[in-house]
Amino acid sequence: DTGVSQNPRHKITKRGQNVTFRCDPISEHNRLYWYRQTLGQGPEFLTYFQNEAQLEKSRLLSDRFSAERPKGSFSTLEIQRTEQGDSAMYLCASSFPPGAGGPSSYNEQFFGPGTRLTVL
Amino acid sequence: AQSVTQPDIHITVSEGASLELRCNYSYGATPYLFWYVQSPGQGLQLLLKYFSGDTLVQGIKGFEAEFKRSQSSFNLRKPSVHWSDAAEYFCAVGAVAAGNKLTFGGGTRVLVKP
Repeated sequence: DTGVSQNPRHKITKRGQNVTFRCDPISEHNRLYWYRQTLGQGPEFLTYFQNEAQLEKSRLLSDRFSAERPKGSFSTLEIQRTEQGDSAMYLCASSFPPGAGGPSSYNEQFFGPGTRLTVL
Repeated sequence: AQSVTQPDIHITVSEGASLELRCNYSYGATPYLFWYVQSPGQGLQLLLKYFSGDTLVQGIKGFEAEFKRSQSSFNLRKPSVHWSDAAEYFCAVGAVAAGNKLTFGGGTRVLVKP
């Protein structure tokens, strides 16, 4: 396992179309995070999973966005009825859950290369 | 809520000169602090992290950072910059109580002059 992978790396779509991105985390990692990064900004948290359970969703995640991790392995992020404002880099990261390295421990996140979405 | 401020949007430095990137954070408890680097069109690579203990942490590529609780800062330094260090640098804070999600600063873009 060489790291977190994301597909596709680039996606160009027309406004109003649906798109789906996939993230394959590091296989031993229970936690999976999605972030969005717009041009010139730092990444912003969208949502995260522990195994197949979605534990938190940001207010940035409108009802056009849905994320799943059905078997606790790979995850998908779908955007319905895309808008030009959805153009961004979508980053996925994975980690062990807290406590895997001891009580109240923090486990660093490993990031994938991202999927760059362009909505025309 | 966590927040991170990187006051410098752009920094230009000559190759061989020293570099310091500033990061200030806001969080009520002891934070976990990170510096990531991002080259154009690429994902994020972890440079270094601070969890506890020695406040001066060493990272990859010759970078180091110092945690100063009294100033709520975690500044990144490199004694001698190489042209390959041209990239965007992000400071981030995480907390177990916040689900370990990361809050990032806006980034500092570093340009290296020959």
